[in-house]
This record gives sequence, structure tokens and C-alpha cells, in this order.
Amino acid sequence: ILNVEQSPQSLHVQEGDSTNFTCSFPSSNFYALHWYRWETAKSPEALFVMTLNGDEKKKGRISATLNTKEGYSYLYIKGSQPEDSATYLCAFSGNTGKLIFGQGTTLQVKP
Amino acid sequence: EPEVTQTPSHQVTQMGQEVILRCVPISNHLYFYWYRQILGQKVEFLVSFYNNEISEKSEIFDDQFSVERPDGSNFTLKIRSTKLEDSAMYFCASRLASETQYFGPGTRLLVL
Repeated sequence: ILNVEQSPQSLHVQEGDSTNFTCSFPSSNFYALHWYRWETAKSPEALFVMTLNGDEKKKGRISATLNTKEGYSYLYIKGSQPEDSATYLCAFSGNTGKLIFGQGTTLQVKP
Repeated sequence: EPEVTQTPSHQVTQMGQEVILRCVPISNHLYFYWYRQILGQKVEFLVSFYNNEISEKSEIFDDQFSVERPDGSNFTLKIRSTKLEDSAMYFCASRLASETQYFGPGTRLLVL
């Protein structure tokens, strides 16, 4: 059974703090690792899709890295803002396309 | 910007009733998915659909579930006889050829 784990489960930080989350996934049959940002009552928003070992992607203050050999990815948020408050989901996909999700990390940024 | 839409946003039904959850994927997309999240649990894959047929389904997707793309724009999930444990948020997603799946806002289904 393929399992994706995220840590921490939740995080409370002050505005301006930088933070990072971890996603661990199976290193076998790897095809892509996805990060989504999900705010309540909205559609999960695709942040990154990474396929190559050593990939690093950046979107504004958010960046992500990928290590497929050891099966982990980090998501970093630099200078957190209240609008970054959301649940961050990672998902693993093999070559069939279906996504296998972690349980998510819920971030709360206090002004 | 194109987006995936889902209707209804909330549905309450009695156990044993049939429900149909509707999705309008992004118009030129080719691959379609249903996922669900039971409260407090992970988002889990139900079924994928390509070229007018199911390409993969999970163990959850038993004979009570069916999917259809009746008119080239809508993509529906039908649950024939709902059970209490079908209560969840149901998400539709679609993609073109790239890996990125675009999700709808979900339908919250409550079975009483």
C-alpha cells in the first residue's frame, strides 16, 4: 500500500516567520510529486508538480525541493503572511495518474 | 481563467437514496477524476476516466458507484444507494496532458 505522510499536522506561526513542511512518499514507482494549497470552501490550488530528483521550484515566497531517492519533499514559505493560512497537501503519483495524498499540514499565520 | 466547477456545493440525502454529483471539467481537458475526503481523513482516489471509459478505480469504487460523461462537458458521479459512510467531500479534477490536476471546490455530501 502506497503511503504519503506529511509533517507537522498543524503549525501556528507569527507573520514574518519562515516555515517549512515535509512530505515523505514511496521512492519506488515514482512519477511526480504535487503540492496543493487548499483554503476552506475553495478548490485546492496547484502550487507545484515536480518530477526530477533534485528539482527545486519557486512561486513568489513559496518554494519546494524534491529528493526522489530518499522519498521526501520540502515546502518552504519565506516571510509568512496571514493570507498564507491554508492547508498544504502533497500528493504522489505513479504512472497511472491517480494522486495519493498525505493528510495535509494546516498553517495558521497570526498577524 | 478556466476552472472546474461542481454542483451542488452541499447535498443532504437519506440512506438508501441515489445521488448524482455533477462536475464541469475544464473544456479541453482529457483526463477526469473523482476523489473524496471523509472528515478527518486523507483525500482518497475513487476513479479516473479517459476516452469515455474508466481507466482506473479504487477498492472503494464498488458497484454502487458509477461515472458518466454524458454530453462532452459534464462529468457525473452517481451513488445508487447511499450509506452513512458515504458522507464526505467529493472532489472532481481534470487535466490535459501535463501532470497538473485541477480541482473543483467539492460537493459536501451528508447521508442521514
